[in-house]
Amino acid sequence: DTGVSQDPRHKITKRGQNVTFRCDPISEHNRLYWYRQTLGQGPEFLTYFQNEAQLEKSRLLSDRFSAERPKGSFSTLEIQRTEQGDSAMYLCASEPDRGFTDTQYFGPGTRLTVL
Amino acid sequence: AQSVTQLGSHVSVSEGALVLLRCNYSSSVPPYLFWYVQYPNQGLQLLLKYTSAATLVKGINGFEAEFKKSETSFHLTKPSAHMSDAAEYFCAVRANTGNQFYFGTGTSLTVIP
Repeated sequence: DTGVSQDPRHKITKRGQNVTFRCDPISEHNRLYWYRQTLGQGPEFLTYFQNEAQLEKSRLLSDRFSAERPKGSFSTLEIQRTEQGDSAMYLCASEPDRGFTDTQYFGPGTRLTVL
Repeated sequence: AQSVTQLGSHVSVSEGALVLLRCNYSSSVPPYLFWYVQYPNQGLQLLLKYTSAATLVKGINGFEAEFKKSETSFHLTKPSAHMSDAAEYFCAVRANTGNQFYFGTGTSLTVIP
C-alpha cells in the first residue's frame, strides 16, 4: 500500500491550453473521487467512479472537464481550453467499497496555475 | 442537503493549551462525520470519523471529537497543543444515502511557542 499518487504535482499552463492530470489510487480501491480545492476553501466534489463507471458528476464540472478511469485502476482528469478560474489544487481520493463508513485516502494533489 | 459550517477560519493557541475547532452540520438524517488535517502542499489525512457508533470518537495524534445530535455539532478537541499540530483542519459530512463528501471551509490552526 503505497498510497494515492498524483502526477504532475504542479502544472503551469497558458490560458486556452489543455491539461491532463493522472491519479493512481490505492490498489484494489474500487471508488475514486476527484475534488477541486481553491485557496481558503475546502475540497469541492467534482466526480466519482465506481470501478470504471463514472457514477456522479458535480454541476461544477463544466463540459470542458472530462474524467476517465478506463480499466478501473488509474484515472485521468482533462481540462480543455483552460481558464484562469481553473487555477486550483486538484485532489484525487480513493476508498474501498465497503459502505458509507469507508475512509477516503487523498493524494498530494496537482496544483494548476493558469496564466 | 448536506453541509458543514466551521466557525473560525483561523484559531491560535499557545503550545500546551487546549485546542477546540468547531464544526456544525446540517443534515436531515444522522450523517457520517469526518475530520481531516492538511499540512502545506500535502493531501488530506483522516484524523477521525463518526459512523453512528460511540459519540465520543478518538483519533490520531491525541485528537478527539464528540457527536452531539441535539446541537448538530462535531467539535474537534485536543487537550494540549503541540507545534506539529499547526495545519489546516477540515470537517466533512457524508450522507448515508450517497457518495459525496461535503467539506467545510477549513480552520487554520496556529500554535504559538
